[in-house]
Amino acid sequence: GAGVSQSPSNKVTEKGKDVELRCDPISGHTALYWYRQSLGQGLEFLIYFQGNSAPDKSGLPSDRFSAERTGGSVSTLTIQRTQQEDSAVYLCASSLVEGKNIQYFGAGTRLSVL
Amino acid sequence: RKEVEQDPGPFNVPEGATVAFNCTYSNSASQSFFWYRQDCRKEPKLLMSVYSSGNEDGRFTAQLNRASQYISLLIRDSKLSDSATYLCVVIPSGGYQKVTFGIGTKLQVIP
Repeated sequence: GAGVSQSPSNKVTEKGKDVELRCDPISGHTALYWYRQSLGQGLEFLIYFQGNSAPDKSGLPSDRFSAERTGGSVSTLTIQRTQQEDSAVYLCASSLVEGKNIQYFGAGTRLSVL
Repeated sequence: RKEVEQDPGPFNVPEGATVAFNCTYSNSASQSFFWYRQDCRKEPKLLMSVYSSGNEDGRFTAQLNRASQYISLLIRDSKLSDSATYLCVVIPSGGYQKVTFGIGTKLQVIP
C-alpha cells in the first residue's frame, strides 16, 4: 500500500507496562508527525521529525514518552510505565515538506490502558 | 489565545442547507491553510487547501481573510454524508513546518 501504515491498530495493556507503537510513512516523505487524540478531543501534537534535523519533542507530555525515527523512515513511539490517562488514539502523519506540506495520516493505534 | 480556534459545535443542519464554519488563527506569519475532514473513529483526511483568492470544489468553498486572520469553509446543499468533524490546519512560514490543528467543528446533517 502507498499510505501511512500504523501498527498495531489496537493495543490493550496493563497500567505500568511499556508499549511501542510503529509508524511506516509514505515512501519519500521526509516529515513525520505523531499526534494523540483522546475521545471527543482535538489532535494533540507530540513530536515532529524532519530529515536529519533534531526532532521537535515539545509536545511530549512527560519523560515516559519517547520516539525514534530510524534511517529517516520508520518511527516508533514508546510509552513507558503506561498510565490510564495515556489511553487514546495515537496518529502518525507524514508529508513532503516541500510544496504544500499536506499531511497524510495513518489509521492510528487505539491504546487502552487498564 | 490559542494558536488556532474553532467552534466545536455541534452544528445540526437539515439536508440541503448551507452551513459555514470559521477558524481563527493567531500567528500573522501563517502561510498555508487547509481544511481536513475526520469521520467518527477515523483518521483526518485532507478536504481542501485554502488559497488567498478563495477556492471552490463542488459544494465546498474555502476562503482566507488575512486581515482578520481567519479561514472559512462553506458547504452548500448539505448531504447526510457530510456529517463529520471539520478541522482547520495552519502552517507558519519559515523553515520549520510545525502544523497546528484546530479542535474541529462537528457537523451533523439531519434528514
